Amino acid sequence: GAGVSQSPRYKVAKRGQDVALRCDPISGHVSLFWYQQALGQGPEFLTYFQNEAQLDKSGLPSDRFFAERPEGSVSTLKIQRTQQEDSAVYLCASSLQRWGTDTQYFGPGTRLTVL
Amino acid sequence: GNSVTQMEGPVTLSEEAFLTINCTYTATGYPSLFWYVQYPGEGLQLLLKATKADDKGSNKGFEATYRKETTSFHLEKGSVQVSDSAVYFCALSYGGATNKLIFGTGTLLAVQP
Repeated sequence: GAGVSQSPRYKVAKRGQDVALRCDPISGHVSLFWYQQALGQGPEFLTYFQNEAQLDKSGLPSDRFFAERPEGSVSTLKIQRTQQEDSAVYLCASSLQRWGTDTQYFGPGTRLTVL
Repeated sequence: GNSVTQMEGPVTLSEEAFLTINCTYTATGYPSLFWYVQYPGEGLQLLLKATKADDKGSNKGFEATYRKETTSFHLEKGSVQVSDSAVYFCALSYGGATNKLIFGTGTLLAVQP
């Protein structure tokens, strides 16, 4: 079946622009995660949704970052007034269950470059 | 805080060589441990996992044993292939309400024919 999809795959923004990154999780998956992966580093947790509820946003680096999942399926990560340090690959993952060590399935990521 | 430390790469091996990629963790309590792999041009995939001490995770010829006494989860494979060339990430999770993953920095493996 279809995996996690993300769009766009690549995004170039000028400093100060707003961007919106989309994630389509696997159908029926309750949990959705966003991670940020800087060049040469491992992914770092940003935020977590259980259905439409954002239960953990402890990893969001500033109030310029905002995520939503209004209907419990598709999610959008929005970054306002982008800065060069926001350049990274943004990964979305989904898992079937609400809790436990359930397998997270990752999308291909969106590579954001801020000039 | 909780963290994962992996051996730095790149690791370059000849085909059929033995592979070890070291991973140690710092955590309170008893996390679950994972190895994820990222093949060139693809997304992260779960390779194997272990949820409690002394558990061994295995998949595609790869193995890792959860060692609580040494806080380690080293990845091993007896005979690597060119197709194993990828970046390998060690990670931990406490599960529970959030289940977020904490990753190491990744180790690039290059297998030469």
